[in-house]
Amino acid sequence: GDSVTQMEGPVTLSEEAFLTINCTYTATGYPSLFWYVQYPGEGLQLLLKATKADDKGSNKGFEATYRKETTSFHLEKGSVQVSDSAVYFCAAGDSGGKLQFGAGTQVVVTP
Amino acid sequence: DAMVIQNPRYQVTQFGKPVTLSCSQTLNHNVMYWYQQKSSQAPKLLFHYYDKDFNNEADTPDNFQSRRPNTSFCFLDIRSPGLGDAAMYLCATSRGGSNGNTEAFFGQGTRLTVV
Repeated sequence: GDSVTQMEGPVTLSEEAFLTINCTYTATGYPSLFWYVQYPGEGLQLLLKATKADDKGSNKGFEATYRKETTSFHLEKGSVQVSDSAVYFCAAGDSGGKLQFGAGTQVVVTP
Repeated sequence: DAMVIQNPRYQVTQFGKPVTLSCSQTLNHNVMYWYQQKSSQAPKLLFHYYDKDFNNEADTPDNFQSRRPNTSFCFLDIRSPGLGDAAMYLCATSRGGSNGNTEAFFGQGTRLTVV
C-alpha cells in the first residue's frame, strides 16, 4: 500500500531561519500530496497541496513541489516565525480520498 | 464558521463504559472519516463512510463502531473503552470522487481520557 516517510523531529530553529522538512512517498498510482499542520491540542489544518507532478503548492510562505522523479514533496519556508512552531504532517491521498500520513515532524522556532 | 465540528472537545470515560463521540459538518461532503491519534504519532484511519457505505479498516478493533444517520452527522462508538483507547479522535470530511484530488477537512478533535 501507499506509505509516506518524513524526517524525524524535533527540528529546532531560530526565528527567520530557513526550514526544510523532507517527505517521500511510495504509491502504486499518482497520489495527491498534502502538508497538514497541527498546533497543540488542535486538529489538523491543511497547509498546502499538489495534485500532479511538478505542481507547486504554497501558502503562508510555505512551499512544496510534487517531484514524481524523486517521489518527494519537501516542505520549505524561507523565514520561519515563532508562530510556525507546530507538528507538520506530510500525507498522500489515494484515488478514493483516503490519506496516508507520515509520522509527523515537530518544529520548534525560538525567538 | 466552523465546518467540521466535534463534540465534546474533551471526554473522560470510565474503563469499560460505552462512550460516543460526535461529529457534524456543514460542508455537505460525501465522505466522513474517523481517525485515532495517539500522542506524538500520526493519525490512524479507523473507518470512513462514503455516503451511507461504511468502510472499515482491516486492523480496526471490533470495539470501535460508527454510525452515520444522515449526511451531516457521524458518530464514533467505543463499546468498552480500555486504557489503550485514550487518544485524540479526529473527524474529517472530503468531497469524495474518483480523482483523489479531494483534500480532507478536519475537526478540532476530541481528547478521550479513560480512567
